[in-house]
Amino acid sequence: GAGVSQSPSNKVTEKGKDVELRCDPISGHTALYWYRQSLGQGLEFLIYFQGNSAPDKSGLPSDRFSAERTGGSVSTLTIQRTQQEDSAVYLCASSLSGKDGYTFGSGTRLTVV
Amino acid sequence: ILNVEQSPQSLHVQEGDSTNFTCSFPSSNFYALHWYRWETAKSPEALFVMTLNGDEKKKGRISATLNTKEGYSYLYIKGSQPEDSATYLCASGGSNYKLTFGKGTLLTVNP
Repeated sequence: GAGVSQSPSNKVTEKGKDVELRCDPISGHTALYWYRQSLGQGLEFLIYFQGNSAPDKSGLPSDRFSAERTGGSVSTLTIQRTQQEDSAVYLCASSLSGKDGYTFGSGTRLTVV
Repeated sequence: ILNVEQSPQSLHVQEGDSTNFTCSFPSSNFYALHWYRWETAKSPEALFVMTLNGDEKKKGRISATLNTKEGYSYLYIKGSQPEDSATYLCASGGSNYKLTFGKGTLLTVNP
């Protein structure tokens, strides 16, 4: 597509429920990143996919968070048993390779009530 | 410096003023320095990717410099316009291509 597409744009969920956030990167971009921004904080790295290599999961805050990237394209970030501290804007970005500037999606605003 | 730090946190200027902000980053294991502009209700937009010490890049009225030895970058905006109002993010990356972002500088340009 022309840009990085994320869905849903907004998600309100009850504490304890599971959520799935989707990212559709720019076609041909081998690198895909997930970041989140909590209120008053900077962008926090979550996970990085590069081609067929094993993902860098070092930023995932707990084992409730997981992500996959199918066929080197679409990625899904799953948060199990959501907590209020998971409330944030989740941003996905892709780049042609790891060396280039990122193209960001418009984000998913997750609110856990 | 362990993290990426940006200053000031926020800035108000009048239309036509020139302004600049600072990004400080760890100089060890440095690979690249990115600048992004993030307007309200939009996605962050890449401005510059800089890798070489002494690099200077320019895009219209916006320019940036890089000092990798001392770990800082400056972003300059000449003749600020209301449409320049946004949060300006810098991010530093190591050889693993993973970026660490600063908290940003919020610029408001008053007409």
